[in-house]
Amino acid sequence: SYVLTQPPSVSVAPGKTARITCGGNNIGSKSVHWYQQKPGQAPVLVIYYDSDRPSGIPERFSGSNSGNTATLTISRVEAGDEADYYCQVWDSSSDHDVVFGGGTKLTVL
Amino acid sequence: QVQLQESGPGLVKPSQTLSLTCTVSGGSISSGSYYWSWIRQPAGKGLEWIGRIYTSGSTNYNPSLKSRVTISVDTSKNQFSLKLSSVTAADTAVYYCAREPTGAGGAFDIWGQGTMVTVSS
Repeated sequence: SYVLTQPPSVSVAPGKTARITCGGNNIGSKSVHWYQQKPGQAPVLVIYYDSDRPSGIPERFSGSNSGNTATLTISRVEAGDEADYYCQVWDSSSDHDVVFGGGTKLTVL
Repeated sequence: QVQLQESGPGLVKPSQTLSLTCTVSGGSISSGSYYWSWIRQPAGKGLEWIGRIYTSGSTNYNPSLKSRVTISVDTSKNQFSLKLSSVTAADTAVYYCAREPTGAGGAFDIWGQGTMVTVSS
């Protein structure tokens, strides 16, 4: 089955740029979605189809996807961005199964 | 504004069947433009997709759970349900229902708040 690899943790100072990666075999050929999850809350979609933002998500959140790595970029990081972030794809090779990355804890220093 | 709400027992005994329902409000589950999924998250761990159903009744399941999972839909009640049989402590988790627009590679755009299910005697 398809595997998505995320770093367990990323730390960034307020006002700086955070980059969270999601690695997978030829992930550039798939559509990648990103979710933000704060403690005790359900995940919230922040990026879909690699780089689109749902309504209400700040422009500070952006995404890219190429080769074997997709990246979620958060510019001008704020304390409120501290959360777990998950990437997700469809594994079209196996009856459209859904695959999540293991998640990355973003810490705002 | 579409909302999803999970409901069901918070405690299930080992070897029994876990049953949860997701009620859709603010829109019709029969709109035909969405899949309806179940996703779970053990405490302190990541997200695991369980499976999805379309309003036609067609389903897809996570291969690792397929032998124990049944997802069904009741369009008259605007609900879909999850049954997970022969549960063990490893099935203890927060269970979420979520909406997924149809089309290749859709994202989960709306989630329920989640419901905690503990498997214990």
